[in-house]
Amino acid sequence: QVHLVQSGAELKKPGASVKVSCKASGSNFTTYYVHWVRQAPGQGLEWMGLINPSGGGTSYAQKFQDRVTMTSNTSTTTLYLELTNLSSEDTAVYYCAGALRYPDVCDVWGQGTLVTVSS
Amino acid sequence: DIQMTQSPSSLSASVGDRVTITCQASQDIMNYLSWYQQKPGKAPKLLIYDASKLEIGVPSRFSGSRSGTLFTFLISSLQPEDIATYYCQQYERLPSFGGGTKVEIK
Repeated sequence: QVHLVQSGAELKKPGASVKVSCKASGSNFTTYYVHWVRQAPGQGLEWMGLINPSGGGTSYAQKFQDRVTMTSNTSTTTLYLELTNLSSEDTAVYYCAGALRYPDVCDVWGQGTLVTVSS
Repeated sequence: DIQMTQSPSSLSASVGDRVTITCQASQDIMNYLSWYQQKPGKAPKLLIYDASKLEIGVPSRFSGSRSGTLFTFLISSLQPEDIATYYCQQYERLPSFGGGTKVEIK
């Protein structure tokens, strides 16, 4: 059974960067893709990108291409999402999600991390 | 990018009612579609993948189907615990979500 536990809430100023972590446990870390999805307050789900922890290959949504970096640390089985040049529009809950059986079907989710961007 | 048009955006139904939600893909995505349920303050939960395959442990009152680029999600008999927002997601290309459907009890 895979569990994903995310880091705590963040408060950032406009123009700053944020790095959210997602600690994976319970299964072979390098055998499944991890996606990042965000949700602004009262809004729908927005796919940001994915990482293959085995090798570190990534695919990003075009909207975030210039500002996002997804990484993984196989020794600590932790995934990271870094988003730069934050604005108020980046205020959202950020989720990591594991695709255990199929590369793009997210069947295990983290609890979410609230990132608030405010001056 | 593949656009997913989900409708309705909200609906109100009685316990025991049949509830239908649709997602229209902007191009052929074959069966690469999943449905998620999200309750307030919680992470989404996978219900259906590959358009019609029920995730393990999900009640059989939930189902999905495909007709060309139109996908349908059905709750055959609405239960109080089904109050949530439902999202479709395509994964034929880089994934993208529909806008969501909020289901409430009448």
